[in-house]
Amino acid sequence: SQTIHQWPATLVQPVGSPLSLECTVEGTSNPNLYWYRQAAGRGLQLLFYSVGIGQISSEVPQNLSASRPQDRQFILSSKKLLLSDSGFYLCAEFSGSSYTFGSGTRLTVV
Amino acid sequence: AQSVTQPDIHITVSEGASLELRCNYSYGATPYLFWYVQSPGQGLQLLLKYFSGDTLVQGIKGFEAEFKRSQSSFNLRKPSVHWSDAAEYFCAVVGGLSSGSARQLTFGSGTQLTVLP
Repeated sequence: SQTIHQWPATLVQPVGSPLSLECTVEGTSNPNLYWYRQAAGRGLQLLFYSVGIGQISSEVPQNLSASRPQDRQFILSSKKLLLSDSGFYLCAEFSGSSYTFGSGTRLTVV
Repeated sequence: AQSVTQPDIHITVSEGASLELRCNYSYGATPYLFWYVQSPGQGLQLLLKYFSGDTLVQGIKGFEAEFKRSQSSFNLRKPSVHWSDAAEYFCAVVGGLSSGSARQLTFGSGTQLTVLP
């Protein structure tokens, strides 16, 4: 079965600092990969998805970016964080008949 | 474009009572539907899914959901709620699962369930 590893679990960063969140997938190949954000009191918003290496689609304009350097690796980045980037970030994959989610990263921008 | 509405932001039930969480979707064809549960600070756990066939779907932890095309609904039910069911519940829809498609999950805004002792 598929397993998603996300790290770090918790992160506190100052405004204007860079960000790198990593997600790796085990137990599958050529998955669709997704980054979702869950802001306080809100649902899950799709940020990026990728159907293959180097292929990134953005759903929401923002100061975040994503990259997929390897088949099972998906990275979320920012050059300069904003307060509004605070939230719970979830990585997900689809490679069968369902979606598997990582355990998430709680990002607080101060 | 697909969309999901969960009209109840917060529901409170007593332990042992029955539960129904509402979910309405918007999609032009037959959707693929999911219910997920999220405990505080955790990722999402799949409760059940509907792709085709029997419109009454059984899931884990005693949950079930019924797909009603005429009402564009996929409500989640449980006959007797346990205190450990307190969590946030998300309904989600994807329009297509064919190879090469983006297969984007669209989520509802979630329903927070509180269980009273």
